[in-house]
Amino acid sequence: SQTIHQWPATLVQPVGSPLSLECTVEGTSNPNLYWYRQAAGRGLQLLFYSVGIGQISSEVPQNLSASRPQDRQFILSSKKLLLSDSGFYLCAWGTSGGIKETQYFGPGTRLLVL
Amino acid sequence: ILNVEQSPQSLHVQEGDSTNFTCSFPSSNFYALHWYRWETAKSPEALFVMTLNGDEKKKGRISATLNTKEGYSYLYIKGSQPEDSATYLCAFFESQGNLIFGKGTKLSVKP
Repeated sequence: SQTIHQWPATLVQPVGSPLSLECTVEGTSNPNLYWYRQAAGRGLQLLFYSVGIGQISSEVPQNLSASRPQDRQFILSSKKLLLSDSGFYLCAWGTSGGIKETQYFGPGTRLLVL
Repeated sequence: ILNVEQSPQSLHVQEGDSTNFTCSFPSSNFYALHWYRWETAKSPEALFVMTLNGDEKKKGRISATLNTKEGYSYLYIKGSQPEDSATYLCAFFESQGNLIFGKGTKLSVKP
């Protein structure tokens, strides 16, 4: 069966510090991978998605970046965090693509930038 | 900017009550609407994918309807149970191929 892991579960970081959140998927190959963020009072917002190794599409211009160094690994990074980067970050995977693709979400990382 | 609205924002019902809430989305260029359920301390889980006007989906006591012409979907829960307590998210599949999520309806069912 497929599983998705995210770490860390929670993170408190000072403004201006770097960030690295990792997501890995097991039990499937060549998944579509997604990073979402839920900021306070807002819905889930798609940040990045990837359809293959090294292929990253950005949906929201910001100081975050994503990388996919391996087929089932998706990393969200920042060189310098802002207060507005605080939120709950969810990684998700899907396989079919298209309008009916079900996305399977990880447990999430709660990030607080102080 | 595409807007997906959910109402009410939160809902408190008694065990055994039936309830429903709404997801509104753009009625033009419709492709699909997804419903997810997000329990506290867990990950969002898919409930339904709806693609056709008039679609009706059912899973146990939960059902959903879709009206693409007027741009809304209803989620119904019959005989709510405490384990139904969760945030219910709808997501509109937009032309660029991504899901636009609403803010969700947070349902609390009191025993």
